[in-house]
Amino acid sequence: AQTVTQSQPEMSVQEAETVTLSCTYDTSESDYYLFWYKQPPSRQMILVIRQEAYKQQNATENRFSVNFQKAAKSFSLKISDSQLGDAAMYFCAYRRGGTASKLTFGTGTRLQVTL
Amino acid sequence: DVKVTQSSRYLVKRTGEKVFLECVQDMDHENMFWYRQDPGLGLRLIYFSYDVKMKEKGDIPEGYSVSREKKERFSLILESASTNQTSMYLCASSLGGQGNTGELFFGEGSRLTVL
Repeated sequence: AQTVTQSQPEMSVQEAETVTLSCTYDTSESDYYLFWYKQPPSRQMILVIRQEAYKQQNATENRFSVNFQKAAKSFSLKISDSQLGDAAMYFCAYRRGGTASKLTFGTGTRLQVTL
Repeated sequence: DVKVTQSSRYLVKRTGEKVFLECVQDMDHENMFWYRQDPGLGLRLIYFSYDVKMKEKGDIPEGYSVSREKKERFSLILESASTNQTSMYLCASSLGGQGNTGELFFGEGSRLTVL
């Protein structure tokens, strides 16, 4: 079974600084997708960024980027120029390729943003 | 925009009661999911459905059942609620078929307290 590990239960970053959230996963598949989701306090979960395993180029969405190390099975999220609105729970998730539909999530990292 | 609506944001029930959690999505998605979210445990999949009247067990199906009579609606049923089912329940939907990216769209969550 696939597992997703987030080893940082909590992180803190100062406004305008950069922070990196870690995620590792375990799979024997070669075709899969990886995701980072954000859950703001009392609000619904939204997708931050997605990475296809077959793509070597790291995904980027504005201030959010990933460092995808396929051999090491590592998928970290970098948030640049952190803003107060980035404060949230962040979940890393894995999905097998093909027609598979279910996602396996990590335990989450709570990010605090301070002034 | 995809909208996933969960019928109740907060519920308080007594041990032994039958509980229904309803979820409706408006984007004609094939797949629907029920996750449970607990601190330190992340999101764990209870059940999912990839078509009307179809269901598959997730990682923690014990004590739960589901119903999908219409494509847009997916219900989670606790036949006899117990205190260890106190949790946040998240419904999600996604497109199906080959080549889908697997992105999940989430509802706002239903926080259930069983006394």
